[in-house]
Amino acid sequence: DGGITQSPKYLFRKEGQNVTLSCEQNLNHDAMYWYRQDPGQGLRLIYYSQIVNDFQKGDIAEGYSVSREKKESFPLTVTSAQKNPTAFYLCASSIPGGASTEAFFGQGTRLTVV
Amino acid sequence: RKEVEQDPGPFNVPEGATVAFNCTYSNSASQSFFWYRQDCRKEPKLLMSVYSSGNEDGRFTAQLNRASQYISLLIRDSKLSDSATYLCVVRGTDKLIFGTGTRLQVFP
Repeated sequence: DGGITQSPKYLFRKEGQNVTLSCEQNLNHDAMYWYRQDPGQGLRLIYYSQIVNDFQKGDIAEGYSVSREKKESFPLTVTSAQKNPTAFYLCASSIPGGASTEAFFGQGTRLTVV
Repeated sequence: RKEVEQDPGPFNVPEGATVAFNCTYSNSASQSFFWYRQDCRKEPKLLMSVYSSGNEDGRFTAQLNRASQYISLLIRDSKLSDSATYLCVVRGTDKLIFGTGTRLQVFP
């Protein structure tokens, strides 16, 4: 089955620690995205990548880093510089451009920093 | 101004009601448009794409007005199961931008 997988589903970390969220897709999509969602809020774009070895900052990139070494994988690192990292993180993929290129989402990772 | 703006919620409607959501976007070069549905604590899922000529899928009708830069979603004969948050999504040249979402609560 084709799809996009995020792991883990729930993640707890101590304040000041870096943590990496996994996102893997087997849809052969070139574009991948990371969004953050806070309770009762919409999705805010953190980083996106249109092609392997290239990525761009979204609206709230500070305190986050990404890599795109493989087409299938787009891990997100939440660094200690992120002031308020507790949130729901969603990864998505799509075919870039085109008329009806909707995004497919993983099930998300709930990160809690204590 | 936000790139994508939606009606503030929540919308509380009785079963059987018709409800409409609107969404405006700022980038006239936007290429494609979608409505997503998000249930509580779940990932968003595509409800329908929005085409220039308007499109319908059962009780759901989506329309696009490029001149005024807005899209709309009409839900007829609301069901309890329609209760969710509806997200307007706009694709620019290289990224997807989500609206903040409008919460719909359908009551018996």
